[in-house]
Amino acid sequence: QKEVEQNSGPLSVPEGAIASLNCTYSDRVSQSFFWYRQYSGKSPELIMSIYSNGDKEDGRFTAQLNKASQYVSLLIRDSQPSDSATYLCAVNPLGPGGGNKLTFGTGTQLKVEL
Amino acid sequence: DTAVSQTPKYLVTQMGNDKSIKCEQNLGHDTMYWYKQDSKKFLKIMFSYNNKELIINETVPNRFSPKSPDKAHLNLHINSLELGDSAVYFCASSQEGPGTGAYEQYFGPGTRLTVT
Repeated sequence: QKEVEQNSGPLSVPEGAIASLNCTYSDRVSQSFFWYRQYSGKSPELIMSIYSNGDKEDGRFTAQLNKASQYVSLLIRDSQPSDSATYLCAVNPLGPGGGNKLTFGTGTQLKVEL
Repeated sequence: DTAVSQTPKYLVTQMGNDKSIKCEQNLGHDTMYWYKQDSKKFLKIMFSYNNKELIINETVPNRFSPKSPDKAHLNLHINSLELGDSAVYFCASSQEGPGTGAYEQYFGPGTRLTVT
């Protein structure tokens, strides 16, 4: 079983729609969760971090965390063509104070169509 | 600009050679990392240094040797390069401890290594 799982996609959504990206993780003690955006040929760019159950909103992005279900998601409202990229879910299985070893999923490719 | 920088951006070399990649961060972070992203785009941690001390070493061949002269710099030296070492290598940094932005890792632009 992969430690962090994401659907590889591509996930296609029309411009202006809500894009929903999902991620599950296997280690129950995980404490820190991150979403990165990676454009082709570029480096991963941090867009959201979440540490507690519930929702966290930042502009058009909302991260949702459910530790009981070992599930973290990213919603992108009013999707724009510039949001087309690969979105990487990353999990810190050791938690604060235990070292900061991020485990990444394989990423979901998002395509926002005009 | 505050950032994580890496040199070189591209590195093309032959099998058996030795090469180094340099990384610098001016974010004031105390922890730095090396990641490898393979041809399938899977990103995997290789090493982590906290205040010049090695804290994560992920079963990487000992041909790979990281060195951290100070907490703002982390270099990666690779001996006897092999075809399978071809990948993009990313440096990252983070600030440990509680507080806003703790444990968030920020990545450099990457070094694309091609071994022929």
